[in-house]
Amino acid sequence: EAQVTQNPRYLITVTGKKLTVTCSQNMNHEYMSWYRQDPGLGLRQIYYSMNVEVTDKGDVPEGYKVSRKEKRNFPLILESPSPNQTSLYFCASTSLGVGGYGYTFGSGTRLTVV
Amino acid sequence: DQQVKQNSPSLSVQEGRISILNCDYTNSMFDYFLWYKKYPAEGPTFLISISSIKDKNEDGRFTVFLNKSAKHLSLHIVPSQPGDSAVYFCAARGQGGTSYGKLTFGQGTILTVHP
Repeated sequence: EAQVTQNPRYLITVTGKKLTVTCSQNMNHEYMSWYRQDPGLGLRQIYYSMNVEVTDKGDVPEGYKVSRKEKRNFPLILESPSPNQTSLYFCASTSLGVGGYGYTFGSGTRLTVV
Repeated sequence: DQQVKQNSPSLSVQEGRISILNCDYTNSMFDYFLWYKKYPAEGPTFLISISSIKDKNEDGRFTVFLNKSAKHLSLHIVPSQPGDSAVYFCAARGQGGTSYGKLTFGQGTILTVHP
């Protein structure tokens, strides 16, 4: 089954404790992205990657890091989480090109930073 | 600066009637517009899209209309069913430069379809 898998689904952590949210896709997509969803703001892009070893900032990158060492994996790293990073996070992937193909999203990671 | 806006936080419709969800955008550098549906505890799922060179796209009960002069798109669901109750996001895909492939989302509209 074609899918984007992200883990964990739920995470409660304390301020300053480094964490990683993993994301993996099995569709050989070159483009991957992380979004956060907050009430009244919709989904906002954190970071994206056009291909292996190619990453760039989205609209809200502060406090986050990413890496893309393999095509299928795109982990999101919070080096020193703060309460304002409490949010619902989604990883997504797509194949770019002609055609309005949307992203395939993971099921989400609900992060709470206390 | 919100480039894609959904000004109605919620919409309530009777089963069998038409649901119309609206979306406005401010940037013309988008090549596709998309609608996503999201249930609680799940990721958004792709529903339907429209190219910026078209004005209508239909898929079963779902039709998306694009009015480029007004920078407005809408999603029509006919007939509406209780299973359509979800959050609907419109999104616009960037067509060049650093925005190539990027989806910019609206705030979402909660649709409730009453039996």
